Parts: sequence; C-alpha cells; structure tokens
Amino acid sequence: NAGVIQTPRHKVTGKGQEATLWCEPISGHSAVFWYRQTIVQGLEFLTYFRNQAPIDDSGMPKERFSAQMPNQSHSTLKIQSTQPQDSAVYLCASSLGRGPGYAEQFFGPGTRLTVL
Amino acid sequence: AQSVTQPDARVTVSEGASLQLRCKYSYFGTPYLFWYVQYPRQGLQLLLKYYPGDPVVQGVNGFEAEFSKSNSSFHLRKASVHWSDWAVYFCAVSMTSSGQKLVFGQGTILKVYL
Repeated sequence: NAGVIQTPRHKVTGKGQEATLWCEPISGHSAVFWYRQTIVQGLEFLTYFRNQAPIDDSGMPKERFSAQMPNQSHSTLKIQSTQPQDSAVYLCASSLGRGPGYAEQFFGPGTRLTVL
Repeated sequence: AQSVTQPDARVTVSEGASLQLRCKYSYFGTPYLFWYVQYPRQGLQLLLKYYPGDPVVQGVNGFEAEFSKSNSSFHLRKASVHWSDWAVYFCAVSMTSSGQKLVFGQGTILKVYL
C-alpha cells in the first residue's frame, strides 16, 4: 500500500497562472479531504468528497479555487489566477468513511505551492 | 463551532524525560479526537485516536493520551522521550456523525536535547 499519493511535491507558479494539484487516495477509501497548511493559519480544511460526491466545501475560498473527484482513484484541486497568498502546503487525506476506524484520515506528503 | 487549542507553541525536553503535550477542545457533543505528528517536509502521521470508550488510548512509539470530558482535554503523554521524537504535534477533533473534516490545533513544536 503506497499510501496517499500527491503530485507534484513542489510547484512554483507566477502570479496569475493556474495550478492543478493531484491526489490519489488509498485504494478502498471512500472519503477524500483537502487541507491547506501555512505558518500563519495552521491547518485549514478546504473540502471533502465521499464516494466521489462533494459533501462539504465550506473551507474553500469562494473565488479561484475548485476541486473535483472524477473517479475513485484521484481528486484534483485547481487554483486559477494564483496569488502570492495562495502559497502554502496543500495536503490531501483519505479515510475509509465507514466501519470501525472510519474517521481516521491518512495524509499524503503534501504539495508545496509557491506563487512568485 | 468546534475548536482545538494547544496552549504550548513549543516544548523542550531532554532525552529520556517524560512528556506531556496539552490539548483542549471545544465541541458540543461526543468528540472523536486524534493526535498527529509531522516531521520536517512530510505529511501528517497518525499517532493515536480516541473513539468513545476507554479514556486512555495507546498509540505508536510509546505515546498515549487521556480523554477527559470534564476538562475538555486530550493530553498526549510519553514516559521517556527519544531524540527522534523531535517534530510538530497536532491535536485534532472530528465531528462524530460521519467522520467528517478534522479541526486542528495550532500545533506544538517538540524539541529534544541530548
């Protein structure tokens, strides 16, 4: 089991460019979460999917951010017109979503996004 | 709304000493609680979890935590710290209903000196 896979590990974009971050959850996990980590704000929830359906996007900025889960094996987080304040580590996590231990989330290594 | 407070931004201990990292939560209901550890340039690794039941839970590498409903706390403990425990530790709470999003504390940096 390779764990949660996130690509790329590092991404540098210029201000105004688009960034797409990828996440492959653990096989068999039905829930996928996205979080953002910065020094100032700490770990913030962005959005999550269960069985590929969006369940809660209450943490997503209203503009420029979007997330999708087109199939059970990957999710993407897209940031349009990136701004320097979007610089952060973006973490993806997955969980079983059912049965004993359903609430445990397993995290990927993160994608460090730097916007110049 | 649920929240988590880790009152100690940094804790420094000598190797072999005992350790307690504090966590206070605010949640109107029965919480599911977690401690995660983050090593430099890595993601979060689960140390231990609390689901309603025995208030003392055991985790990996000799860590344990005790849930207290009366104190709204979930403190992490270790009897003897090793230099490899130098990392950032996060306490988190989840809503019980369906394993939803985690709300994290700000983290505690643990430094271990030899």
